Amino acid sequence: QKEVEQNSGPLSVPEGAIASLNCTYSDRGSQSFFWYRQYSGKSPELIMSIYSNGDKEDGRFTAQLNKASQYVSLLIRDSQPSDSATYLCAVNGGYSTLTFGKGTMLLVSP
Amino acid sequence: GAVVSQHPSWVICKSGTSVKIECRSLDFQATTMFWYRQFPKQSLMLMATSNEGSKATYEQGVEKDKFLINHASLTLSTLTVTSAHPEDSSFYICSARRGTGLIGELFFGEGSRLTVL
Repeated sequence: QKEVEQNSGPLSVPEGAIASLNCTYSDRGSQSFFWYRQYSGKSPELIMSIYSNGDKEDGRFTAQLNKASQYVSLLIRDSQPSDSATYLCAVNGGYSTLTFGKGTMLLVSP
Repeated sequence: GAVVSQHPSWVICKSGTSVKIECRSLDFQATTMFWYRQFPKQSLMLMATSNEGSKATYEQGVEKDKFLINHASLTLSTLTVTSAHPEDSSFYICSARRGTGLIGELFFGEGSRLTVL
């Protein structure tokens, strides 16, 4: 059973701070990793994808992957109230469908 | 990002009726689409994988005769909830994979909120 684990939160950070979201996965053969943002009542939106060890930056977002530790994280710099949402980690082990974590709720207070 | 359109966004129906939800990939061809269901404050639950030109693959516990999936073209998949009951009320979300294999990215439609009275 492939599993993707996330802390459900909520993770509360003040506006302007760095939010750090973490995810671990069980399938050591996983090759591609994704972060989705889901606002309440809306469908998920892809914000980052990462395929190799290390950091990948896109604007205020940085994804970090450590395959040896089976760990992927998402950093959000200069957090804004509009970043408040549930962040879903998803893992793809190959040609199979993505396995999603249950998501971490992020609350950014003004 | 890629655009996946889902229709209708909201639907209310009477118990016992059938409801069809359409999912279209607007700017890319998708040989594979996925249908998810999400109950309030719960995570996404994969219902089935829709493959263009062949039968859908259903997840364990999902009734294939109740949730009919058709993927007739590379840009359109439909989910029909047959003989809907109140317990089928949920948020149904489709997704389509752009690209193939390990680098394929999954994009979601806007979702369809079904309420069965």
